[in-house]
Amino acid sequence: GAVVSQHPSRVICKSGTSVKIECRSLDFQATTMFWYRQFPKKSLMLMATSNEGSKATYEQGVEKDKFLINHASLTLSTLTVTSAHPEDSSFYICSARRDSSDEQYFGPGTRLTVT
Amino acid sequence: QKEVEQNSGPLSVPEGAIASLNCTYSDRGSQSFFWYRQYSGKSPELIMSIYSNGDKEDGRFTAQLNKASQYVSLLIRDSQPSDSATYLCAVMGGGADGLTFGKGTHLIIQP
Repeated sequence: GAVVSQHPSRVICKSGTSVKIECRSLDFQATTMFWYRQFPKKSLMLMATSNEGSKATYEQGVEKDKFLINHASLTLSTLTVTSAHPEDSSFYICSARRDSSDEQYFGPGTRLTVT
Repeated sequence: QKEVEQNSGPLSVPEGAIASLNCTYSDRGSQSFFWYRQYSGKSPELIMSIYSNGDKEDGRFTAQLNKASQYVSLLIRDSQPSDSATYLCAVMGGGADGLTFGKGTHLIIQP
């Protein structure tokens, strides 16, 4: 299989605080993982590409100092939303790509609400 | 800027009929093409991948790719109510690893 987990599934935090989201590939190794964001009734937008052992590559318009990504092992990538604001409220979804394929498998997503 | 276009629908199809979903993309350098299914409030689930021109069949699903026309389609045969979802076309390539998604087509299978 190709199972990707994500934790937490839902989080509510106060404005100004930080939130960490974990993404794990459970049954395969993933040198490359991706972080996407989806606003209501919109499609997924790529935020950044996370490579194990190196710095993440961020898409244009995504603040790297606000969205901290760490990919410390072949099965774990984390996204930390720092100093969260209400406009950061969204559905954050990670994906992992098998090293031998272009196919990306998505985690179940994290719904972030900033109050 | 890469663009992936899909008709947002809703596309309504009777149960048992063939549902046809279409997608066009702007970047000629794109090399990998994917169809994902997304239920409301859930994350996308990979249905099909296609890399070369022609048809690729997997069960009730057939993906079709025409790189000259920059066109990808998905056919769902013997449509079931459980196929009701939003179908996302995604494209990769042109030097980038991440996926560019279309806005999705909302498919409704009428019992």
